[in-house]
Amino acid sequence: GAVVSQHPSWVICKSGTSVKIECRSLDFQATTMFWYRQFPKQSLMLMATSNEGSKATYEQGVEKDKFLINHASLTLSTLTVTSAHPEDSSFYICSARVPRGQGETQYFGPGTRLLVL
Amino acid sequence: QKEVEQNSGPLSVPEGAIASLNCTYSDRGSQSFFWYRQYSGKSPELIMFIYSNGDKEDGRFTAQLNKASQYVSLLIRDSQPSDSATYLCAVSAKDYKLSFGAGTTVTVRA
Repeated sequence: GAVVSQHPSWVICKSGTSVKIECRSLDFQATTMFWYRQFPKQSLMLMATSNEGSKATYEQGVEKDKFLINHASLTLSTLTVTSAHPEDSSFYICSARVPRGQGETQYFGPGTRLLVL
Repeated sequence: QKEVEQNSGPLSVPEGAIASLNCTYSDRGSQSFFWYRQYSGKSPELIMFIYSNGDKEDGRFTAQLNKASQYVSLLIRDSQPSDSATYLCAVSAKDYKLSFGAGTTVTVRA
């Protein structure tokens, strides 16, 4: 399957700081990437859809000013958690949509664990 | 709001047996159906995807889709201890957004 990487895999930061997470598609071009958040023992919750060259589309209840998404190229999307607080501590996972010519699927990155102290 | 329901777990099966996982969805406009496996502390890994009614087999895994009943299932044959994980059913429509079920935890007893 297609390979998606995320960096960093772990982040520990102080409350009030901003954290940037990178999501890269390594062997294909991803026009659409998605950002999810997963709390312990819960399923994945879609936060936003990231489209290359355009503004991200956020799900209801997700603050766009707090979770800044940039999809600057066909292989890179970034999520910045601004002014992070302990309640933002979670497992953040990106996925990349594989275009229909290769099959309509989404492949997930390995995830980034964020702990805000 | 798309809803995806999975049979409640946990599901415990002996090694070598068949594990059967079920999923129903509410949005009749759903077009693509996926099964992901998630090990504890890891991100989801795609196991199967299915778009058309019927069965699709890949190794020990078989996905079944019945759009009329809004039902999709996953069978794991010859279950191995390494199959112990949480299995997530996911559904998408034209917007390509995935809606996930809560997951079913499977434990394969050696």
